[in-house]
Amino acid sequence: DGGITQSPKYLFRKEGQNVTLSCEQNLNHDAMYWYRQDPGQGLRLIYYSQIVNDFQKGDIAEGYSVSREKKESFPLTVTSAQKNPTAFYLCASSINMNTEAFFGQGTRLTVV
Amino acid sequence: GENVEQHPSTLSVQEGDSAVIKCTYSDSASNYFPWYKQELGKRPQLIIDIRSNVGEKKDQRIAVTLNKTAKHFSLHITETQPEDSAVYFCAATPNNAGNMLTFGGGTRLMVKP
Repeated sequence: DGGITQSPKYLFRKEGQNVTLSCEQNLNHDAMYWYRQDPGQGLRLIYYSQIVNDFQKGDIAEGYSVSREKKESFPLTVTSAQKNPTAFYLCASSINMNTEAFFGQGTRLTVV
Repeated sequence: GENVEQHPSTLSVQEGDSAVIKCTYSDSASNYFPWYKQELGKRPQLIIDIRSNVGEKKDQRIAVTLNKTAKHFSLHITETQPEDSAVYFCAATPNNAGNMLTFGGGTRLMVKP
């Protein structure tokens, strides 16, 4: 199960605090993505990055921020501006935008 | 942009029966169509994919068919087993720079023993 790693698996934060979710891949993939999944729901795209030092907003970017300073890493910060941050967050990577995406194991964030 | 719709949202079958999940897409430029299986609490994993230059692809009990004219593609699982129970997602992506996988809403498949 190597390749793309998310940490931690479970994360608890108090309301109003920013929190950063880690995503690292050693697959030499150019493209990386962050999805949010709510219970019983599909995958919604938060941010994506086609190449290092570049990223674009997805469908639900409000309240989130990302950086892509290194090819291997694409951390996601959930800010206090995100109104409903409790969810399952999935990171993915692919060789490019038109190939299979490999997913990390996910981080379940609970904000209390 | 691309829009992918997936049906049904839930599907219950008896063990040994077949299951079919259908997806439609909107962008005629889409040319890559993967299917992912997500077991409860786990990451989605690719189970089969198809590109637009073929109409059908099969891997043991799983097959995918693609109708480019109608812009729909389907996942077929034969001889279903309880371990096939999971959520299945279809996706589509156009072969244009800046476009990415767009997922369907998912189908919860339940295989009753």
